[in-house]
Amino acid sequence: SAVISQKPSRDICQRGTSLTIQCQVDSQVTMMFWYRQQPGQSLTLIATANQGSEATYESGFVIDKFPISRPNLTFSTLTVSNMSPEDSSIYLCSVRGIAGGRGTDTQYFGPGTRLTVL
Amino acid sequence: QKEVEQDPGPLSVPEGAIVSLNCTYSNSAFQYFMWYRQYSRKGPELLMYTYSSGNKEDGRFTAQVDKSSKYISLFIRDSQPSDSATYLCAMSAGGSNYKLTFGKGTLLTVNP
Repeated sequence: SAVISQKPSRDICQRGTSLTIQCQVDSQVTMMFWYRQQPGQSLTLIATANQGSEATYESGFVIDKFPISRPNLTFSTLTVSNMSPEDSSIYLCSVRGIAGGRGTDTQYFGPGTRLTVL
Repeated sequence: QKEVEQDPGPLSVPEGAIVSLNCTYSNSAFQYFMWYRQYSRKGPELLMYTYSSGNKEDGRFTAQVDKSSKYISLFIRDSQPSDSATYLCAMSAGGSNYKLTFGKGTLLTVNP
């Protein structure tokens, strides 16, 4: 499977600021996703990052709050804008369609970015 | 009713025990079933992947799917302290509907 890295691994931010999280994969992948993991909650899909076009957002998530870029097949960014304490969470990058993966529907996850908003 | 239900635990067992982790689901379209293991402060790691009903074994781990009951299980034999983690079930309908639906995860502690 591919090696997925995220930067930063953690951050503490002030209310009202924005943070951009980077996801880098060491091989080309078909699809990239961004998830949020809040304590006691299921992993929740924020959006699918589409290469060369606007991301596809899930219900409850909007582009103004979570702008996403995907300039190529190995890299994506998620920005958490105008942050509030409710945005404190772990944000995870995920990929699908890795050559040699265990199945076409399997997704592999990055290590996550732990965000705390004060 | 949530699409995927998973008992959050926590579950604490002695080393060497057989562990059974379970999820139920309501969407009959789900065909692909996965178990992820997540260590503290790490991302989820794919552990088992199964398609449709039946059993799949990989070392000490066995994944079982019963589509008629909409029930999946993960068994861990001879559990080790290194198995202590949160286990997440996930499933998808497959094909063009690639989205994964996750359970909340079960926190497992294996005591030496």
